[in-house]
Amino acid sequence: AQSVAQPEDQVNVAEGNPLTVKCTYSVSGNPYLFWYVQYPNRGLQFLLKYITGDNLVKGSYGFEAEFNKSQTSFHLKKPSALVSDSALYFCAVRDMAGTGRRALTFGSGTRLQVQP
Amino acid sequence: GAGVSQTPSNKVTEKGKYVELRCDPISGHTALYWYRQSLGQGPEFLIYFQGTGAADDSGLPNDRFFAVRPEGSVSTLKIQRTERGDSAVYLCASSPDPAPNEQFFGPGTRLTVL
Repeated sequence: AQSVAQPEDQVNVAEGNPLTVKCTYSVSGNPYLFWYVQYPNRGLQFLLKYITGDNLVKGSYGFEAEFNKSQTSFHLKKPSALVSDSALYFCAVRDMAGTGRRALTFGSGTRLQVQP
Repeated sequence: GAGVSQTPSNKVTEKGKYVELRCDPISGHTALYWYRQSLGQGPEFLIYFQGTGAADDSGLPNDRFFAVRPEGSVSTLKIQRTERGDSAVYLCASSPDPAPNEQFFGPGTRLTVL
């Protein structure tokens, strides 16, 4: 079975400061990892993904994430937060194994609040 | 281009009634997914279609839930004898193929069972 943990329900950061949203995962094989953002009354928007290759993945809106296999983590980061980054962030995993589930397993979400 | 669309955006029904939720995926996307998102939770997988066939329906909670995709494009999620616990936002997503591409999500249908 595959699972995702987002240990923080909410992260507060001041505008201009770096931000980190934590994610750890569990899969039986190697993972495909994703970050999505959800704004109020809107659908999930894709931010970035890790499939293979470089452990540091760059995505939309200046976000990046670092895949750490030994720690089974895929933390989302941004060097300088904007008030407009305030939203709900979801980490998701899919098992690379051929017999694994094709659908994504999502974490419970982390609300990011950026204060001006 | 057009994204994933879902209708209706909101559906209020009474306990015991039957409802249908529709999803129009991005044109040409062969993979289609249904998820359910309860308040304060992440989306939970319900069913996955590759083309016309349900390749994985292991997420359907019980036999009151059923989904079809007869022509490999539009999909309908059907819920019989609705219960208050079925209240949630139902999300549809599509992707070009089963490969690990990102899934593109629709805005969801908010189902409220009174």
